[in-house]
Amino acid sequence: EVQLVESGGGLVQPGGSLRFSCAASGFIFSSHWMSWVRQAPGKGLEWVANIKQDGSEKYYGDSVKGRVTIYRDNAKNSLYLEMNSLRAEDTAVYYCARIGGVTIFGNSHWYLDLWGRGTLVTVSS
Amino acid sequence: IVLAQSPGTLSLSPGETSTLSCRASQSVGDNYLAWYQQKPGQAPRLLIYAASRRATGIPDRFSGTGSGTDFTLTISRLEPEDSAVYYCQHYANSPWTFGQGTKVEIK
Repeated sequence: EVQLVESGGGLVQPGGSLRFSCAASGFIFSSHWMSWVRQAPGKGLEWVANIKQDGSEKYYGDSVKGRVTIYRDNAKNSLYLEMNSLRAEDTAVYYCARIGGVTIFGNSHWYLDLWGRGTLVTVSS
Repeated sequence: IVLAQSPGTLSLSPGETSTLSCRASQSVGDNYLAWYQQKPGQAPRLLIYAASRRATGIPDRFSGTGSGTDFTLTISRLEPEDSAVYYCQHYANSPWTFGQGTKVEIK
């Protein structure tokens, strides 16, 4: 079955650190860019980070830049997100997502075509 | 790039047509825009990419149009299962951003 399964959420104190994991199955993980997207309770979606197939390129959202690191282990079909200096506003469901792509008239189009169910992080004392 | 969606909420009856708007603060280039559907308690689902291309398995009741800074998602012949929040998202450059969402309620 083609799926993404996140883990690593939980309750963490402000200033603490956390590592999320995402296990991929049913597709060639090493062929895809991957992404993390988060959603605070009752709020909209916020893009967090992207990573290239071989990990050589990484991009981060402004609200988390400097506090997060995205990385992957293609041998384990796994994606990770490490967050530190956690704040209350980092409380959210964190989704792992696969980035699909297609070239149309010479332009590369990207989209989040497979999502995990998410893992909830609550930052609170 | 900031994406502004309107309206915030739409309340329509089955069989009607809904029109959702997404306006970008600057051009998103060659239609680098996607739409997602999210139902309560579920992960988002890709509907549209490249502004107008339907994702695999998405019924033709869903259609996307627009270019530059103004985009529209149209849902025809509304069904009860279309009740959800719909988000637009650009991928023209980093950082990617999402609109704040439009909630579609089916009466």
